[in-house]
Amino acid sequence: QQQVKQSPQSLIVQKGGISIINCAYENTAFDYFPWYQQFPGKGPALLIAIRPDVSEKKEGRFTISFNKSAKQFSLHIMDSQPGDSATYFCAASIFGNEKLTFGTGTRLTIIP
Amino acid sequence: EAGVTQFPSHSVIEKGQTVTLRCDPISGHDNLYWYRRVMGKEIKFLLHFVKESKQDESGMPNNRFLAERTGGTYSTLKVQPAELEDSGVYFCASLPRGGDNEQFFGPGTRLTVL
Repeated sequence: QQQVKQSPQSLIVQKGGISIINCAYENTAFDYFPWYQQFPGKGPALLIAIRPDVSEKKEGRFTISFNKSAKQFSLHIMDSQPGDSATYFCAASIFGNEKLTFGTGTRLTIIP
Repeated sequence: EAGVTQFPSHSVIEKGQTVTLRCDPISGHDNLYWYRRVMGKEIKFLLHFVKESKQDESGMPNNRFLAERTGGTYSTLKVQPAELEDSGVYFCASLPRGGDNEQFFGPGTRLTVL
């Protein structure tokens, strides 16, 4: 049973466009929702994270939107650049238990 | 500051053989995690050390997997005997005590069992 479902599996966006990746979770005890970015040959690196007390968090071109009632959260990348091409993972955890439950990943390709 | 390192980066072994993966966390990080990603699937939690103690090993697939963290520094994950379904990328991550939940991941070890 997959507790965090992520879509799409792959995404191609033109340079300058908006990239949107969606995740849905089942466990209502989750209270920490990070997004990780992974480049080939590297490990995942934290990109941005949100807690359920806010509905949106923005850091530069990256925004997390969070809908607690729908148990969904999404990553928006504005003005997407070729350097954003990577695999993105959403994840969730419970405060005090830092074990991360990941989605299946989205391979994002930004084309010129 | 050096990041999390893992060795080897790749390992190709035959079914039935033994393989040992090593992880060196960021110095001073008490928390160490092992995760695994089977091709195309999610990254799955295997276990969590706090210093040398196993805090949570609920994700370990079976007793062919043995993890240790002697002295609370580096950790090893041994697979004995390896099976085909053990193939995947094994990640290690570390987190300081009282950290703000940001786990720092190593580059992973790609294990292929033939």
